[in-house]
Amino acid sequence: KQEVTQIPAALSVPEGENLVLNCSFTDSAIYNLQWFRQDPGKGLTSLLLIQSSQREQTSGRLNASLDKSSGRSTLYIAASQPGDSATYLCAVRTGGGADGLTFGKGTHLIIQP
Amino acid sequence: GAVVSQHPSWVICKSGTSVKIECRSLDFQATTMFWYRQFPKQSLMLMATSNEGSKATYEQGVEKDKFLINHASLTLSTLTVTSAHPEDSSFYICSARALGEQFFGPGTRLTVL
Repeated sequence: KQEVTQIPAALSVPEGENLVLNCSFTDSAIYNLQWFRQDPGKGLTSLLLIQSSQREQTSGRLNASLDKSSGRSTLYIAASQPGDSATYLCAVRTGGGADGLTFGKGTHLIIQP
Repeated sequence: GAVVSQHPSWVICKSGTSVKIECRSLDFQATTMFWYRQFPKQSLMLMATSNEGSKATYEQGVEKDKFLINHASLTLSTLTVTSAHPEDSSFYICSARALGEQFFGPGTRLTVL
């Protein structure tokens, strides 16, 4: 059974810092991996999707890498801003068919102004 | 990105009543939708996969007779929580897949008194 772990569970940094969020998964036979952002009491916003054949994806100040063989992904946030404060979730899709996602517990990020 | 809506955004009901939650893909067709549940300070857990025109597939430990899923069209899936009890209070989120990426609705906060 796929398990997803995110480290750290919480992180608080001053505005402007670059930071890295980590995600690991136990079954490396994934179809793709997605990073999401969740604001308190809200739904999920998709940030980046990395297919199993890809090594990284970039969107603005966000960069996500994938090392499938070692079961790891990182989300890099450059020049953090207070608006980046949210919970960041990592999720993997293990099957290529009609499979749902397996989520980590998330990293609760606070960017101090 | 693709847009998924949910209705209602929140609901409070008495124990023993049934509650229906709708999930719609607004600008694309989805043969497969997913229902997740999120308890406070926990991550999302897949409850079931909703398949248009056929029976839903439930994850282990999810009672299919309690959580009724109907995927009546390519843009609508409904989740009915039957005979709700306080332990069913949770945040229910649906998602739909488009071009390999999952897009999530804003969620429904269910509180059972």
